[in-house]
Amino acid sequence: DSGVTQTPKHLITATGQRVTLRCSPRSGDLSVYWYQQSLDQGLQFLIQYYNGEERAKGNILERFSAQQFPDLHSELNLSSLELGDSALYFCASSVGVGRWETQYFGPGTRLLVL
Amino acid sequence: DQQVKQNSPSLSVQEGRISILNCDYTNSMFDYFLWYKKYPAEGPTFLISISSIKDKNEDGRFTVFLNKSAKHLSLHIVPSQPGDSAVYFCAASEGTSGTYKYIFGTGTRLKVLA
Repeated sequence: DSGVTQTPKHLITATGQRVTLRCSPRSGDLSVYWYQQSLDQGLQFLIQYYNGEERAKGNILERFSAQQFPDLHSELNLSSLELGDSALYFCASSVGVGRWETQYFGPGTRLLVL
Repeated sequence: DQQVKQNSPSLSVQEGRISILNCDYTNSMFDYFLWYKKYPAEGPTFLISISSIKDKNEDGRFTVFLNKSAKHLSLHIVPSQPGDSAVYFCAASEGTSGTYKYIFGTGTRLKVLA
């Protein structure tokens, strides 16, 4: 158990809908990262927040947005969903922002768009 | 365009022998590299990392080698154990001043045969 929790574990929705994925980092971690893993693909880095502020942005679509709240939990919002958005979404957390910081991953949320 | 490539989707090794997992990258700006291990239904777990100023880093049974001129890194597991059976992801990082992006490969599934 990494100490990172993600809810829900599974989500099934329809095209055009909007969903929110939630992540609670490990106690004491200020950085939160979001990743997407599509079928047969590596993890795609989406975005990083540190202590409430956006820190780094990867290949995140404009239909996707994220935020980190004062209690440090984070939410990833996916809107106007398409079939291709079906994937595993991982959240990870680390203490700080240094590249040597170990990222601890949650178990993921599996999203299926029908 | 895959900047980090793991060209072997799978690898089988006998218990006790050496496992060698390979990773190639194309972006010369990458200066920090990581390996993660992933079991089914779990998030990835950090295994070992290496900075571009080094060519080798060792941690117990795990050693990562970096060949910058060839833009190639490898993970050696000696001796391999059945519990090492998992998917291994190679990742590379670029960025400065606490703003880093992480690019992952597609993973290699290692099976260690008892």
